[in-house]
Amino acid sequence: DAGVIQSPRHEVTEMGQEVTLRCKPISGHDYLFWYRQTMMRGLELLIYFNNNVPIDDSGMPEDRFSAKMPNASFSTLKIQPSEPRDSAVYFCASSLGQGELYEQYFGPGTRLTVT
Amino acid sequence: QQPVQSPQAVILREGEDAVINCSSSKALYSVHWYRQKHGEAPVFLMILLKGGEQKGHDKISASFNEKKQQSSLYLTASQLSYSGTYFCGTGKATGTASKLTFGTGTRLQVTL
Repeated sequence: DAGVIQSPRHEVTEMGQEVTLRCKPISGHDYLFWYRQTMMRGLELLIYFNNNVPIDDSGMPEDRFSAKMPNASFSTLKIQPSEPRDSAVYFCASSLGQGELYEQYFGPGTRLTVT
Repeated sequence: QQPVQSPQAVILREGEDAVINCSSSKALYSVHWYRQKHGEAPVFLMILLKGGEQKGHDKISASFNEKKQQSSLYLTASQLSYSGTYFCGTGKATGTASKLTFGTGTRLQVTL
């Protein structure tokens, strides 16, 4: 298996632009997680899905952030409009079962820089 | 609430041992340990579930004390490949929650 796939790996954009991050989870994994990692705040959970349904989005910082999972093999995280404070590494992870009971497999991450 | 890890950073010589602690203010059901090398994604090490078990593979093991709401990761006879940042992730499974809250991280550097 190719593991969790994320694209793009790096994104540089100007403030106010829309940014879309993409994720393909491992086939057969029912749970998908979006994390954001910064030096200041560490690794934060933004939202997670179970069987393509958003379960908990309490970590989404504000309305500028949205996430979708239209099918079992694809998810997007969108930021519109982007701001410099959104600069971070965004990870997608997937797992076979419940997040606290199963190993999470992380993708390589997308490094977002908003200027 | 984010679990607290200690120490924040540690430098070891190859072959030395280290202990990394993870403490939570909330009751825990599970603790995960991950290692992240610079510029890479976190990689799973092990899960410990409620029951105070101890787990290990190779020279890395961990314990979970649910009464104290803490877990410790033990690295023995450290190797250069152990360098990285170690994160604990805590779960409060009650049948409804299915997410981890990651700790502050412990940066480990192993030198020759």
